[in-house]
Parts: sequence; structure tokens; C-alpha cells
Amino acid sequence: DQQVKQNSPSLSVQEGRISILNCDYTNSMFDYFLWYKKYPAEGPTFLISISSIKDKNEDGRFTVFLNKSAKHLSLHIVPSQPGDSAVYFCAASAKYYGQNFVFGPGTRLSVLP
Amino acid sequence: NAGVMQNPRHLVRRRGQEARLRCSPMKGHSHVYWYRQLPEEGLKFMVYLQKENIIDESGMPKERFSAEFPKEGPSILRIQQVVRGDSAAYFCASSPRPPGGTEAFFGQGTRLTVV
Repeated sequence: DQQVKQNSPSLSVQEGRISILNCDYTNSMFDYFLWYKKYPAEGPTFLISISSIKDKNEDGRFTVFLNKSAKHLSLHIVPSQPGDSAVYFCAASAKYYGQNFVFGPGTRLSVLP
Repeated sequence: NAGVMQNPRHLVRRRGQEARLRCSPMKGHSHVYWYRQLPEEGLKFMVYLQKENIIDESGMPKERFSAEFPKEGPSILRIQQVVRGDSAAYFCASSPRPPGGTEAFFGQGTRLTVV
């Protein structure tokens, strides 16, 4: 039972364009969402998060949008750079349900020069 | 380095041996999580500990795997009688508060190879 889904295993984008990574969740108890970036042979690096009381959070080139009614969030990277090429994981947690961070399977982003 | 420290970075064990993976959380963090990543797969939750207590071990295999986070010292993930299927990257993360409204920060991982 996959509670956090990332239906696109991979995505290729031209340098300078927008990258949009999508994530869906099934558990309505989730109230905090996070995005991580992972390079090969390294640990995941925290990128940006959003609380369920918000619908948008922005940090530099990274913006996360949350649509609670659709149980959907997305990460926008603008403009995309070759160094953004990595695997991106969506994660969710709940203050009053479960006791861990639940991760999606990841999307491999390739930014082409 | 104030980040999450894991050691060793690489560990090779023969089948049947024991593997001990260590994790020192970030300063001020008392919540530790262990995840496993098999090749070409995502991060699978194993166990969540808070100083001396196991909070959630729903992702831990029932046999051969154990975890602890003593009052003093790092968190330890212990795998007894390793088998080839245990070969994976094991990541530890820590947070200052329980999940929900906080971020978890990861270490560089320990890559376990069972030969």
C-alpha cells in the first residue's frame, strides 16, 4: 500500500526551462510534506517543505505547491540547471498519525545542457 | 561537521556475519530514523527511535535486525547472520522533534555488501 506516489520514474528537461515534479498521497492524515534531492552514493538532501495549512512555499528557484483536495503536490524548479540532475523524493508526515516520514519512490530528473 | 554522521561508509560482510551500522544524529536532535534503499528502489522506512526508546519499528524485518539508541553514544542498526539480500544502502536521519511539522536530515549512508 503505497501512501506516497511519484508516478513519473524519470523526467528530462532542457537547461533554463521549468522542471515540474509531481507527487500524490493517499493518507488524508498527512499534514507536512517535504522534498529531498539525492545524488548517487550520497544521502538525501532536504530541499523544501510545506505545511498543510499553506498551498505554496517558495525558496529561491524551488517552489512547492500543495493541493489538499486533490492530495497532490508538485515541486517546480525554475530555471533548471544541469546540477539539478538527481533523484527527487517526495515525503510526507503526520503529527498525530504514524511515527515516521513516508517517502515516495523518487523521480530521476535529467537537466540537459 | 554538524551533520548526521554515519559510519562506516562502506561495509563488506560474508554471509552469516554480523553487521553494525552507526549513526550520530545532528547536535540537538533526539529523534533518529533508519531507512534502507535497495538498488534502483526508493527509501524504505525501517525504524524510528527516540533516546533509549523504539517508537516505531513497523518497517524492521522480524528476524535478525535490531536497533538501539542509547542514552550515550550513537544509534546502532544491527544485522545478524547477514544474507545477500541485505546488501543495500542504509541511511540514518535525525530530527529535533517528532515527525509532523519538522524536517529530517540524512547522513551519507552506509553501503553494505554481503559476499
